[in-house]
Amino acid sequence: DIVMTQSPDSLAVSLGERATINCKSSQDIFYTSNSQNYLAWYQQKPGQPPKLLIYWSSIRDSGVPDRFTGSGSGTDFTLTISSLQVEDVGVYFCHQYYITPFTFGQGTKLEI
Amino acid sequence: QVRLQESGPGLVKPSETLSLTCTVSGVSIGSTTKYWGWGWIRQAPGKGLEWIGTFDYSGSSDYNPSLKSRVSISADTSKNEFSLKLSSVTAADTAVYFCARQGDQGRCTPAICYPGSHVDSWGQGILVTVSS
Repeated sequence: DIVMTQSPDSLAVSLGERATINCKSSQDIFYTSNSQNYLAWYQQKPGQPPKLLIYWSSIRDSGVPDRFTGSGSGTDFTLTISSLQVEDVGVYFCHQYYITPFTFGQGTKLEI
Repeated sequence: QVRLQESGPGLVKPSETLSLTCTVSGVSIGSTTKYWGWGWIRQAPGKGLEWIGTFDYSGSSDYNPSLKSRVSISADTSKNEFSLKLSSVTAADTAVYFCARQGDQGRCTPAICYPGSHVDSWGQGILVTVSS
């Protein structure tokens, strides 16, 4: 199985400051045939399902603010929130869909 | 706008079978123009996300090997719903169960196509507790 390891486990950032969450996969999840990284990011708030933020490692889902940026390739990926807002508090998960079993990172709790 | 809604018992006894249904609206699960993945993901209380299994109508499907001997996912296109059955449950199966739609661009190699890509739609989730 591909193990997805996020760092840090928790993060406290001041309002308006930058937040950076890292995700490392135990195997390369870049597919050379279509030049895509099979990596997504989700945000989850208490009592809610996760919400898709980023897919194909860097494509922002519809309606996601442009302060959210996904980057990286191969085995190392980053989610950056450029200017933290109150509504960004939650748990963030990375997810590889390169190969089954599809797997998720353990989550990073983001607080103000 | 796709919408997914889980239903089923919230309490299951140990050793029995957990059965949940996901009713989909806004799109046909049997679409042959877009082969979305339809599947289940669970989250134990205070824990992370665990993929259970996914199928699509191109013929691709797979289950998590950790659950494969106990799980089955089936679909009823006439009702536009799909179901999860997990047998021989224990307390470790207590979790919120989400049904989910995965994108239609699952990775294909010469040998295999994987069912679905990123999860673009989630149900609200249903808490299932395994207890006597």
